[in-house]
Amino acid sequence: SYEVTQPPSVSVSPGQTATISCSGDKLGDKFTSWYQQKPGQSPVLVIYQDKKRPSGIPERFSGSNSGNTATLTISGTQAMDEADYYCQAWDSNTVVFGGGTRLTVL
Amino acid sequence: QLQLQESGPGLVKPSETLSLTCTVSGGSISSSSYYWGWIRQPPGKGLEWLGYIYYSGTSSYTPSLKSRVTISQDTSKNHFSLKLSSVTAADTAVYYCARYYGNAFDMWGQGTMVTVSS
Repeated sequence: SYEVTQPPSVSVSPGQTATISCSGDKLGDKFTSWYQQKPGQSPVLVIYQDKKRPSGIPERFSGSNSGNTATLTISGTQAMDEADYYCQAWDSNTVVFGGGTRLTVL
Repeated sequence: QLQLQESGPGLVKPSETLSLTCTVSGGSISSSSYYWGWIRQPPGKGLEWLGYIYYSGTSSYTPSLKSRVTISQDTSKNHFSLKLSSVTAADTAVYYCARYYGNAFDMWGQGTMVTVSS
């Protein structure tokens, strides 16, 4: 079955750019979505179809997807962006989530 | 404004069947283009997709749990349901229902914690 892989953790200083990767075989041929989850809360969609932002998501969140890697980029990272981030793809009528990346803003 | 709300027992005994319902308000589960799905998250771990059902009634499940999972819908009550059979402690998790549209889960319920224990 299809799998996508994320780094367990990423650290960034406030105001800097955070990048979180998601890797999978020919992932660039599939749509990737990204979710933010803060402790005790439900996940929130922040990027869908590789690079689209849902209404209400700040412009500092952006996405890209090419080759075997999709990337979530957070520009001008703020303390409120500290959370777990999950990528998600679709393959052969099944949905797969990455293992999640904990973003620490320090 | 679409809202999803999970409901069901918070405690299930080992070997029994876990049953949850997701009630949708502010929209119809019969609307075309939408899938309605279940995702779970064991304590301290990541998200796991369990399956989804299309408005037409067709469903798809994660391969590792396919033999134990059933998702159904009741359009008259505007809700869809999850059944997970032969549960063990490994099935202890927060269970979320969510709407799948545009290759993403764009709307989520608040989640419900289910513990498997005797």
